[in-house]
Amino acid sequence: DTEVTQTPKHLVMGMTNKKSLKCEQHMGHRAMYWYKQKAKKPPELMFVYSYEKLSINESVPSRFSPECPNSSLLNLHLHALQPEDSALYLCASSQVSGGRKPQHFGDGTRLSIL
Amino acid sequence: AQTVTQSQPEMSVQEAETVTLSCTYDTSESDYYLFWYKQPPSRQMILVIRQEAYKQQNATENRFSVNFQKAAKSFSLKISDSQLGDAAMYFCASPGYQGGKLIFGQGTELSVKP
Repeated sequence: DTEVTQTPKHLVMGMTNKKSLKCEQHMGHRAMYWYKQKAKKPPELMFVYSYEKLSINESVPSRFSPECPNSSLLNLHLHALQPEDSALYLCASSQVSGGRKPQHFGDGTRLSIL
Repeated sequence: AQTVTQSQPEMSVQEAETVTLSCTYDTSESDYYLFWYKQPPSRQMILVIRQEAYKQQNATENRFSVNFQKAAKSFSLKISDSQLGDAAMYFCASPGYQGGKLIFGQGTELSVKP
């Protein structure tokens, strides 16, 4: 069973829609991450939250807006996406940020932009 | 910049045989961790094994073991007694300089023949 839960599992949206991806973990981890992954490619880091504060933004376009309401929850708000944004979006968490602790990944949300 | 290189885009192994996946990395850090992740088709990324650079002993997890050559900056994964369920993309990863950023290799797609 996955300890990082992502919803929805699949999402199809038009370029003018607004939607949100949700990620939840109850392992007491204080670092949470959003990744974008294309087929047969490694995940690309988008954002890192550490102790509920945004610590890394990898120059992600503003049509992606992250939010960390509390230590267990991470959202990714989507607006006016482009077809090239179609991908698997992975959420991960770790005890703390910094790379010494392994990241635990969710199943991902497969996003398709029409 | 830190880099992680997996030179084998695809590998194939017969069931019950042994296979080794290669990974080299570049870092100027003295104390760091290295990870192998497994991602089956359309499924979540799972941590396979972790190696702490200051430990000389190679990490082992059941049928999975690493050959860590610190001086050569090499971190290969050996899978013994391969099973059909081992078929997946395997990613080698190392933490980047920025806290929390994980640098992934390009991945090796492993197929297991019955």
